[in-house]
Amino acid sequence: SQQGEEDPQALSIQEGENATMNCSYKTSINNLQWYRQNSGRGLVHLILIRSNEREKHSGRLRVTLDTSKKSSSLLITASRAADTASYFCATVLIQGAQKLVFGQGTRLTINP
Amino acid sequence: DAGVTQSPTHLIKTRGQQVTLRCSPISGHKSVSWYQQVLGQGPQFIFQYYEKEERGRGNFPDRFSARQFPNYSSELNVNALLLGDSALYLCASSLGQGGSYTFGSGTRLTVV
Repeated sequence: SQQGEEDPQALSIQEGENATMNCSYKTSINNLQWYRQNSGRGLVHLILIRSNEREKHSGRLRVTLDTSKKSSSLLITASRAADTASYFCATVLIQGAQKLVFGQGTRLTINP
Repeated sequence: DAGVTQSPTHLIKTRGQQVTLRCSPISGHKSVSWYQQVLGQGPQFIFQYYEKEERGRGNFPDRFSARQFPNYSSELNVNALLLGDSALYLCASSLGQGGSYTFGSGTRLTVV
């Protein structure tokens, strides 16, 4: 079963605008990670945020984590056509196997 | 440095057949995980191996098995294929457990 749920399921914006995707999860985590997937191929790691962190930045990406609400958000600023992809959040739980538990993903389309 | 390599990239099999998928991790990575991604969904965890030992298994039937070799490469075997096994199979490697993962481009398996 999926641990996380992304919202929205699909997002379409104009190039240059900011894109925000949200992720909610159910159980306590060790860390939360965001991945990008182009055209149903391999996933690319974007950013990892640990349970004791609240915000991280990487280039045009900003990730926040609210463990009290069990939610995270990914903000992509000044979007580009090349950002068109599916974005997944994945959690690593505190207990059990150190596996990634993925949500269903958000399909982001950047229109030129 | 080569990334995570998977072979083959595409495969078509008939129901009831057996298939072996292969994965070579990034040099120095001792952890290899396998994920199944059905079209339109997030990846689902199948197995994790670390230092050649199974460290986690997802909710998949015994038809699925895997192993890790002394050079840390890995194979995923699926017996008695069903139509529902059609999916993208992803391999991911990491230095240890619980950190970020590097994914291969996947093997697209079609069962007819």
